[in-house]
Amino acid sequence: DTGVSQNPRHKITKRGQNVTFRCDPISEHNRLYWYRQTLGQGPEFLTYFQNEAQLEKSRLLSDRFSAERPKGSFSTLEIQRTEQGDSAMYLCASSPTGLPSPLHFGNGTRLTVT
Amino acid sequence: AQKITQTQPGMFVQEKEAVTLDCTYDTSDPSYGLFWYKQPSSGEMIFLIYQGSYDQQNATEGRYSLNFQKARKSANLVISASQLGDSAMYFCAMRERRRALTFGSGTRLQVQP
Repeated sequence: DTGVSQNPRHKITKRGQNVTFRCDPISEHNRLYWYRQTLGQGPEFLTYFQNEAQLEKSRLLSDRFSAERPKGSFSTLEIQRTEQGDSAMYLCASSPTGLPSPLHFGNGTRLTVT
Repeated sequence: AQKITQTQPGMFVQEKEAVTLDCTYDTSDPSYGLFWYKQPSSGEMIFLIYQGSYDQQNATEGRYSLNFQKARKSANLVISASQLGDSAMYFCAMRERRRALTFGSGTRLQVQP
């Protein structure tokens, strides 16, 4: 068990560019989650997958955001036409199904949009 | 509507004393789980303790205990014998069936020597 891995750790991009982040969950976990966190706030839910199926997506999420988990293993989160307000820490987490199943978080990808 | 409410943006506690961090929640689902996470300044999210909605007893994990009052919809975290290393952000979170984990806004705890 090597934990949840996220790449890159940091990403600086110019407004209007597209960015893609990758998350590799703990191998035996079939649920994978994406959250966004800004300074001093709690993580904000974006979307989650069970295996390859995207089961829930935040209604607040712009259609510039899209996530995939094509083979039920790693996942990618893409942000198109980035805006300065997208600057945040993007956290990935994984868990087994059912309760109790605490989420195991990665170290995050910090996005800065200039 | 807010599902998880943490009303204490910041708390101070003296080393070796106990501290209670407040959390209230809102759900109509009879089956749910409540979690507390710690986030030190280094940024990682560390799972501390879990309480299920059907659990009869309050959860405990070492120096952490969860004061679960179901009728009041509260799930306060109690840290006994505070240590300097307990200084961090603490987040309460809830997971309803087939839903993702929803976090509160957090409480920053500072332990003073």
